[in-house]
Amino acid sequence: RKEVEQDPGPFNVPEGATVAFNCTYSNSASQSFFWYRQDCRKEPKLLMSVYSSGNEDGRFTAQLNRASQYISLLIRDSKLSDSATYLCVVNYSSSASKIIFGSGTRLSIRP
Amino acid sequence: NAGVTQTPKFRVLKTGQSMTLLCAQDMNHEYMYWYRQDPGMGLRLIHYSVGEGTTAKGEVPDGYNVSRLKKQNFLLGLESAAPSQTSVYFCASRAPGVTGELFFGEGSRLTVL
Repeated sequence: RKEVEQDPGPFNVPEGATVAFNCTYSNSASQSFFWYRQDCRKEPKLLMSVYSSGNEDGRFTAQLNRASQYISLLIRDSKLSDSATYLCVVNYSSSASKIIFGSGTRLSIRP
Repeated sequence: NAGVTQTPKFRVLKTGQSMTLLCAQDMNHEYMYWYRQDPGMGLRLIHYSVGEGTTAKGEVPDGYNVSRLKKQNFLLGLESAAPSQTSVYFCASRAPGVTGELFFGEGSRLTVL
């Protein structure tokens, strides 16, 4: 079993739609969680950190469920510019130094 | 404001050749990482370092060696390149703290023939 698993997609949704991604992780000792965004042939960049209390940044909402070991990302009112690959990232070790990426979920927004 | 710089950006090797990828960061970060990314896949951790003089294995360490002789540099070596090592390699350094952000270089595209 992979340490961090994501639905690879692709998700193809119309502009203005709401889309949700989930991610599961296997190590219950994992300490921190993130969503990164990667545009085609570019390096990943931090979208947002994920906290147990949930956090929101504009149209983006991230949630963490430690009991079920999953992380979610919700994008509301999607824009064409949201087309990208979204990577679930887990700080995997108890020493908080081993950072593992999921395989990514590809999102395409159509006009 | 360089951040993380990787060299070279492109390289073509023949099977069995050796090479070293250099990652340099100017943010004084302790933690540095090497990942590889294959088509349609996420990033897989090769090796990482939590400070000068220390390295640790990631998910896919076989066929690679690393060194962190200076805090600002993290080198990734391929002693005998194989076609399976054709990939895009990303280096990153991490800001302090459990939730510290990863800062990536632009990637190094390696082809092994």
